[in-house]
Amino acid sequence: GQSLEQPSEVTAVEGAIVQINCTYQTSGFYGLSWYQQHDGGAPTFLSYNGLDGLEETGRFSSFLSRSDSYGYLLLQELQMKDSASYFCAVVNYGGSQGNLIFGKGTKLSVKP
Amino acid sequence: DAMVIQNPRYQVTQFGKPVTLSCSQTLNHNVMYWYQQKSSQAPKLLFHYYDKDFNNEADTPDNFQSRRPNTSFCFLDIRSPGLGDAAMYLCATSRVRADTEAFFGQGTRLTVV
Repeated sequence: GQSLEQPSEVTAVEGAIVQINCTYQTSGFYGLSWYQQHDGGAPTFLSYNGLDGLEETGRFSSFLSRSDSYGYLLLQELQMKDSASYFCAVVNYGGSQGNLIFGKGTKLSVKP
Repeated sequence: DAMVIQNPRYQVTQFGKPVTLSCSQTLNHNVMYWYQQKSSQAPKLLFHYYDKDFNNEADTPDNFQSRRPNTSFCFLDIRSPGLGDAAMYLCATSRVRADTEAFFGQGTRLTVV
């Protein structure tokens, strides 16, 4: 089967740095994506790692270690608008199919 | 400009009465996904299409079916909605299989009364 684990909640203050970890078990692993979802909104794409290492996109960075089946999302210079749920998602290419499976999400609360 | 459009945004249906949710896309993407998301939970993949190839997740209830008559449109049919089917239903697309990014619609929130 497939499973993804990430913390359920994280709290941080404005201006701080927060890291959200994700471990996964899956077959046909192709890459790891991160999505942000505000309450009542749709998930929006943040970042993708297909290879080991760090990808940086502005204040957000994402890291992948394929050998450890582990990744993280790093959010720097936190702002109040970053309060949202963050999902890691494995991109699979199992057999003749491709699919996108989400973790349970981490609810980030940014305090003043 | 909206790229993945779901209609309606809110749908109320009666217990046991069939309901259809629709999704359209202007991106000309090959892959379309349907997810079910309940409050404070992860989006759960129900189906996905690669072009016309239909893929059903193993644990998707038989009560749920899907149709993709052409590249642009995809429908989710719930044959006999139960109270447990109340959720947000999200449609998403990606350009190709195992693409790096998926694009989501705003979702349809289904209420079953």
